[in-house]
Amino acid sequence: GENVEQHPSTLSVQEGDSAVIKCTYSDSASNYFPWYKQELGKRPQLIIDIRSNVGEKKDQRIAVTLNKTAKHFSLHITETQPEDSAVYFCFITYNFNKFYFGSGTKLNVKP
Amino acid sequence: DAGITQSPRHKVTETGTPVTLRCHQTENHRYMYWYRQDPGHGLRLIHYSYGVKDTDKGEVSDGYSVSRSKTEDFLLTLESATSSQTSVYFCAISPGGGTYEQYFGPGTRLTVT
Repeated sequence: GENVEQHPSTLSVQEGDSAVIKCTYSDSASNYFPWYKQELGKRPQLIIDIRSNVGEKKDQRIAVTLNKTAKHFSLHITETQPEDSAVYFCFITYNFNKFYFGSGTKLNVKP
Repeated sequence: DAGITQSPRHKVTETGTPVTLRCHQTENHRYMYWYRQDPGHGLRLIHYSYGVKDTDKGEVSDGYSVSRSKTEDFLLTLESATSSQTSVYFCAISPGGGTYEQYFGPGTRLTVT
């Protein structure tokens, strides 16, 4: 929604390449920045999150970076594999009483 | 997957009928949420609960009501279903207390004819 903007809406990469998805938010008070992965026909699942006191967090091939000044955070997937193909959502909360998901990025990893 | 179930998993109903969806958790988490997911709109929050009998509206609450009489159950009611409420409905839970990650149920596919 307008409270969080996610880009791109679709992303196609060759297996082994990297993928980057970015979300921009509006409220500087936000301090929790997760990413969710949703495979076709399945429920969304948390894959990585970061809090505002750190700038980057890595977990194997995925990482999240945060730029609080510019109010955006990004998901980075390296060495992409076909099983990374899914829809990815960012999430933002304002004062922990407003909750918004980004519109989603459909990632297609071509073998 | 966290201990969270939804019932029914699929439902077809007619316009104007009432419908209640149930979310049940065994994690004793404080927060529970109802989202709807539609093509082109991602996940949108309908209502959420931050404790027993404590609920608040989300982004798309019109036409929906909720109730939470005990920690483990969160009910979503469509008082008079409309075709625009055809969607996949996801329940989610989170612990609260400074921990905000959400865990989702398997979803309910609702079709209003």
